[in-house]
Amino acid sequence: QKEVEQNSGPLSVPEGAIASLNCTYSDRGSQSFFWYRQYSGKSPELIMFIYSNGDKEDGRFTAQLNKASQYVSLLIRDSQPSDSATYLCAVKGSASKIIFGSGTRLSIRP
Amino acid sequence: KAGVTQTPRYLIKTRGQQVTLSCSPISGHRSVSWYQQTPGQGLQFLFEYFSETQRNKGNFPGRFSGRQFSNSRSEMNVSTLELGDSALYLCASSLDKAYNEQFFGPGTRLTVL
Repeated sequence: QKEVEQNSGPLSVPEGAIASLNCTYSDRGSQSFFWYRQYSGKSPELIMFIYSNGDKEDGRFTAQLNKASQYVSLLIRDSQPSDSATYLCAVKGSASKIIFGSGTRLSIRP
Repeated sequence: KAGVTQTPRYLIKTRGQQVTLSCSPISGHRSVSWYQQTPGQGLQFLFEYFSETQRNKGNFPGRFSGRQFSNSRSEMNVSTLELGDSALYLCASSLDKAYNEQFFGPGTRLTVL
């Protein structure tokens, strides 16, 4: 089992709809969770981080964390073509190392 | 405020050579982490430095090493290059060890022939 798992996609979502990206992790001692966006040929860009159970909203983005179920998700409302990218989930585990998932490719179709 | 800078941006080496990559963190950031990104393995953690000390190390062979200077700039070195070392090497900085939000540099694309 991978330490951080994501569906590789591609996930295709119509413009204006909600895109839902999911991530599960294996280390129950994990405390910090991050979502990065990476455009093709570019480096990852931090979108959001979440430490506590529940939801955290920032503009069109909402991160959701459920430590009991060991999953974290990212919702993108009113999806735009510019949201088309690979989304990386990262988890800081109990050993204080940040482990990245393999990423989910998101495609927003006009 | 300037972002994370990495030099060089592109590098071509041959098997058996060694290479040194450089990373300058965001001003005021004291923690620097290095990652290797390949299409097959994704983003893999190499090591993390804070105040010139290696705090964490990933599962890479001893050919991969790094260091951090008193001004927080960091270098990583790969000796005896192998074809499989071809990758994008990313450096990320964060404020200090209490903060987890990392900001990535543009990366160094290393090609080993």
